[in-house]
Amino acid sequence: QTVVTQEPSSSVSPGGTVTLTCGLSSGSVSTTYYPSWYQQTPGQAPRTLIYFTNTRSSGVPDRFSGSILGNKAALTITGAQADDESDYYCVLYMGSGSWMFGGGTKLTVL
Amino acid sequence: QVQLQESGPGLVKPSETLSLTCTVSGGSISGHYWSWVRQPPGKGLEWIGYVPYSGRTNYNPSLKSRVTMSVDTSKNQFSLKLSSVTAADTAVYYCARYYCTDGLCGGFDYWGQGTLVTVSS
Repeated sequence: QTVVTQEPSSSVSPGGTVTLTCGLSSGSVSTTYYPSWYQQTPGQAPRTLIYFTNTRSSGVPDRFSGSILGNKAALTITGAQADDESDYYCVLYMGSGSWMFGGGTKLTVL
Repeated sequence: QVQLQESGPGLVKPSETLSLTCTVSGGSISGHYWSWVRQPPGKGLEWIGYVPYSGRTNYNPSLKSRVTMSVDTSKNQFSLKLSSVTAADTAVYYCARYYCTDGLCGGFDYWGQGTLVTVSS
């Protein structure tokens, strides 16, 4: 079975730029997988950042952006801030009405 | 502003059925697709399935034999039932609304705060 893959961890310096990716164990991610991205801090519900690959959810600052990079979906954070330190999840539409989350990336800002 | 609120027992015995309800306020349940997502302690998010306001449900293949979702438009609620639970079903359960446009859904736009369900005797 194909699974959705994310980097387990990543780090960025304050003010820096980081790109998190969302791939497939087999195959390439395209816009037809309708990738979306979520931010989650401990004890809180996920917060929607991006849907339909690159559409920002209401109230999400424009330093968060989504795209397709190569064969993966990507979330880029520019001008990283301390409160961006969170877990980030992507979810993909796998076809036949099924969706699958990636395992999540723990982002450290240091 | 749309708000979702999960409710149901926080403790379920092994082999019994977990039942949760999500109440939608600030908007109608009609015209939308609704989902359940869970997160075991210390682990990632898992899609359980979706139920449209009208039409066919769809479930995670790994849970399909045990899951039932339904909508009650008169109460603006939708529900989840998961049968034959084990300790592996212990998780925070979230309800969520799909963001859909022009007949396509591209992720979730609203989430409930989540409710912890523990499976234990």
